[in-house]
Amino acid sequence: DAKTTQPPSMDCAEGRAANLPCNHSTISGNEYVYWYRQIHSQGPQYIIHGLKNNETNEMASLIITEDRKSSTLILPHATLRDTAVYYCIVRVSRSNSGYALNFGKGTSLLVTP
Amino acid sequence: DAGVIQSPRHEVTEMGQEVTLRCKPISGHNSLFWYRQTMMRGLELLIYFNNNVPIDDSGMPEDRFSAKMPNASFSTLKIQPSEPRDSAVYFCASSLGPTNRELFFGEGSRLTVL
Repeated sequence: DAKTTQPPSMDCAEGRAANLPCNHSTISGNEYVYWYRQIHSQGPQYIIHGLKNNETNEMASLIITEDRKSSTLILPHATLRDTAVYYCIVRVSRSNSGYALNFGKGTSLLVTP
Repeated sequence: DAGVIQSPRHEVTEMGQEVTLRCKPISGHNSLFWYRQTMMRGLELLIYFNNNVPIDDSGMPEDRFSAKMPNASFSTLKIQPSEPRDSAVYFCASSLGPTNRELFFGEGSRLTVL
């Protein structure tokens, strides 16, 4: 299983860009990178995913390095409501019938006023 | 859509008692996942189903845990007998299908075993 490494915590000032790094040096060529976040006391929420190209949606941007060994989730203008734990996940194929997502400990992002 | 619905939201029980957690996935979703979250171990996958069939239960901690999905709109996670170390938040999630990329999580069931 491809493993991910994230810093345990980060701070960001409100209104600034939050850049959350993730290392996944053992990722295989056909494995996607997923990002989820979990706001306190709620279930995790999907943010974005990618394979090798950079991706953007209404929530965030995902930058994947050319060698795919690392990626960065960018929240362009962080708000207080973005305070959460952010999980970087590499999709793990468990069987021909599908896959599951293994969440690690994630990065606890604190957005300050 | 109401989203993934879990019950109960909170359960306090005594060691040795049977605990049953329930989950109603989003209508039309064919994959269902049970996760457990603790401070020490983070968010762990316990088991997942595709089309009501258990695909991978390697995350189920031991024989005291069992999960069923009798139909497409209902799943249960049972712990019998419960132990204090089972105290955790249990999340249910569903997705459209086995290769779909987005999981939708419920609000979780917080279990405390005294």
